[in-house]
Amino acid sequence: EAGVVQSPRYKIIEKKQPVAFWCNPISGHNTLYWYLQNLGQGPELLIRYENEEAVDDSQLPKDRFSAERLKGVDSTLKIQPAELGDSAVYLCASSQGHNGYTFGSGTRLTVV
Amino acid sequence: DQQVKQNSPSLSVQEGRISILNCDYTNSMFDYFLWYKKYPAEGPTFLISISSIKDKNEDGRFTVFLNKSAKHLSLHIVPSQPGDSAVYFCAASDEGAQKLVFGQGTRLTINP
Repeated sequence: EAGVVQSPRYKIIEKKQPVAFWCNPISGHNTLYWYLQNLGQGPELLIRYENEEAVDDSQLPKDRFSAERLKGVDSTLKIQPAELGDSAVYLCASSQGHNGYTFGSGTRLTVV
Repeated sequence: DQQVKQNSPSLSVQEGRISILNCDYTNSMFDYFLWYKKYPAEGPTFLISISSIKDKNEDGRFTVFLNKSAKHLSLHIVPSQPGDSAVYFCAASDEGAQKLVFGQGTRLTINP
């Protein structure tokens, strides 16, 4: 069974530029999560999807961040414009039900 | 407002000895607790979990203990092996929120 696939693995952009991350969850997993992990910290939830509906986006900075999950499968997370403080690892995870999260390898974003 | 805390940023243990990683939480609504292991450049991988109705769960070399009255859980690894060197994250959830709240992580180093 393929795991959660994220791309790109690494991204370096200049500040004020846009950037997008892509996530393909495990087949059959209805719940998809985007987490942000700053250096030396644990992951923090940005947004949670149940199928194509965003059911918890309270921690998503909506002035510059957006996300979508078309057809309830793949998801993209976008930042526009990026700021220096957005440098972090962006993790995608999926689950079926309450437990059993599986994380992808993450996208490491560096804003210069 | 750090609801899940891992107060030891790092821990060094000799190979063959017991590793004990600690975690404290503040939210009494948490009813499920997990430990994740993370290697560099990879996403967190699930290690072991425990429900609030139990006080101990064991899986091979890994045992998690939960003390609800103290709002404290710990992960015991015995015997410790060099491959156990990684960052360990404690996480907690409540069924209503269906999201994981992570601690800051503890970097475990197993010395030969």
